[in-house]
Amino acid sequence: AQSVSQHNHHVILSEAASLELGCNYSYGGTVNLFWYVQYPGQHLQLLLKYFSGDPLVKGIKGFEAEFIKSKFSFNLRKPSVQWSDTAEYFCAVKNNQAGTALIFGKGTTLSVSS
Amino acid sequence: GAVVSQHPSRVICKSGTSVKIECRSLDFQATTMFWYRQFPKQSLMLMATSNEGSKATYEQGVEKDKFLINHASLTLSTLTVTSAHPEDSSFYICSAPSGGGLTYNEQFFGPGTRLTVL
Repeated sequence: AQSVSQHNHHVILSEAASLELGCNYSYGGTVNLFWYVQYPGQHLQLLLKYFSGDPLVKGIKGFEAEFIKSKFSFNLRKPSVQWSDTAEYFCAVKNNQAGTALIFGKGTTLSVSS
Repeated sequence: GAVVSQHPSRVICKSGTSVKIECRSLDFQATTMFWYRQFPKQSLMLMATSNEGSKATYEQGVEKDKFLINHASLTLSTLTVTSAHPEDSSFYICSAPSGGGLTYNEQFFGPGTRLTVL
């Protein structure tokens, strides 16, 4: 069965610090990978996704993620965080078949102090 | 991108009553929709897969007689929490994959429904 592991439960940073959130998955086949953000009181919003091609994916709001197949990882990065990045971040994976559900990691809470 | 709506956004009900939550794909058709549940400070857990024209598929540990799913049309799925109890209080989120091309593997999430059972 597929599973997703997010190593950091709660990350606390100051503004302008760099961010890296870890995500590892277990699945033997071809996968699609996603990072979602959930701001307080709001619904899930897609940050970026990887289906195929360039393993370095750029998303919205200055986020990027790198798919490293050999490590089964899809870590999220941002060079300089802002206070407004305070949110819950979820890594998710699905197999490369149409109509299958996402499996989510437990999420990482990011708190950015100004 | 594609839009998924949910109604209601919040519902408070008494223990023992039933609550219906609607999930609609507004500008695309979805033969499949997914229902997730999110407890406070926790991740989304897949409850069931809603299939238009056939029975829903439930994840292990999810009671199908308690969480009734009906995929009435290509744009509407409903989740009915029957005889709700306080432990059913949660945030229920639906999603739908958008059809066509590379976006077929992308899912669009509804804004969620906050259920509070007193």
